[in-house]
Amino acid sequence: GESVGLHLPTLSVQEGDNSIINCAYSNSASDYFIWYKQESGKGPQFIIDIRSNMDKRQGQRVTVLLNKTVKHLSLQIAATQPGDSAVYFCAENTGGFKTIFGAGTRLFVKA
Amino acid sequence: DTGVSQDPRHKITKRGQNVTFRCDPISEHNRLYWYRQTLGQGPEFLTYFQNEAQLEKSRLLSDRFSAERPKGSFSTLEIQRTEQGDSAMYLCASSQAGEETQYFGPGTRLLVL
Repeated sequence: GESVGLHLPTLSVQEGDNSIINCAYSNSASDYFIWYKQESGKGPQFIIDIRSNMDKRQGQRVTVLLNKTVKHLSLQIAATQPGDSAVYFCAENTGGFKTIFGAGTRLFVKA
Repeated sequence: DTGVSQDPRHKITKRGQNVTFRCDPISEHNRLYWYRQTLGQGPEFLTYFQNEAQLEKSRLLSDRFSAERPKGSFSTLEIQRTEQGDSAMYLCASSQAGEETQYFGPGTRLLVL
């Protein structure tokens, strides 16, 4: 069935380093992918998205890469800051209303 | 604040009681979604409204759950005869028609004792 998962449940990085969070998806029909950040006690916050006709998209300090051949999605955070500590979810959408979330990766930023 | 709002933020109830949560979406968004999130997991889809019409319900939404959006603006999610397994964060999200990006509220954390 459809599933979105993450390779690592936790990631610890030094402040100032770059972070890479990975995600695998299984539904080849998915055409829209989103990364969300969730801080403790809060709802998921939209970070960046990418459509299946793109390989890369950049935002402010964040880049999302999509490799459709191996069904892999990654989120790169440049110059990671303590405020980036959170759980990061990738999510996929096959068109329409239904968005499927993975289990999440917890990012720890060490000062 | 023009984001999605939810009320209450926290709810503690005894097993068997009924609870109702409210969600106010972003004002120009005509699509509204409810999700449930348990500790360490991603949000799981429960139901979806386009304007006042409930267009999809997940199998997770048992008969004890009911959601409404009577005027196509705010929505309520009611859980009847709560069970301990209902303890979770209930998240609401909204989006504009034609756009997949969903914007989430802060959630209502439910604890059933």
